[in-house]
Amino acid sequence: GAVVSQHPSRVICKSGTSVKIECRSLDFQATTMFWYRQFPKKSLMLMATSNEGSKATYEQGVEKDKFLINHASLTLSTLTVTSAHPEDSSFYICSASSGRPGPGNTIYFGEGSWLTVV
Amino acid sequence: AQSVTQPDIHITVSEGASLELRCNYSYGATPYLFWYVQSPGQGLQLLLKYFSGDTLVQGIKGFEAEFKRSQSSFNLRKPSVHWSDAAEYFCAVGRMNSGYSTLTFGKGTMLLVSP
Repeated sequence: GAVVSQHPSRVICKSGTSVKIECRSLDFQATTMFWYRQFPKKSLMLMATSNEGSKATYEQGVEKDKFLINHASLTLSTLTVTSAHPEDSSFYICSASSGRPGPGNTIYFGEGSWLTVV
Repeated sequence: AQSVTQPDIHITVSEGASLELRCNYSYGATPYLFWYVQSPGQGLQLLLKYFSGDTLVQGIKGFEAEFKRSQSSFNLRKPSVHWSDAAEYFCAVGRMNSGYSTLTFGKGTMLLVSP
């Protein structure tokens, strides 16, 4: 089946620095990838939709200058948390879908990345 | 606006007993419904999905779910729970967002399995 992989799985960074998380679709081309954030014991919150070759679409309330998304190829999207602060500490999950966009598309998730800002 | 409600935050089930996790949705059109499972610190794994047709859907790991339009529900069931089923379960509805398919998730139900 389709596989989506994230790297790193865990990262610790100092406050004020930037950190990059990669999301790869391993056996299919994903024109669209999604980035979610999950707070402890909470559901997933969609942050942005990453489109290959164009600017990402951010959800309301998500700072686009803080969470930079680049979808450089059909198999890779990156999320960069800039000038990280402790409140950015969270579990970040990416997902991707294959096939034509549609509400019934199966969406595959990465393993997630734990970010801790100290 | 679409929404998904999972009324139970936690459920504890004895190993070997049956399980039912509740999910109610609110969606203006024909819903596309999903159940995902998340083990601690891990990503999400798709258990099953409903698009159309037979309202009883079979998934992986022995799970099934039944779509009931009259009740706006898509409850997840398993006849005999194993200790390895302990995890968080998310119900989701597929929707279009600015031309792209995405998911709206419920808040999840944590399943605890007792010996």
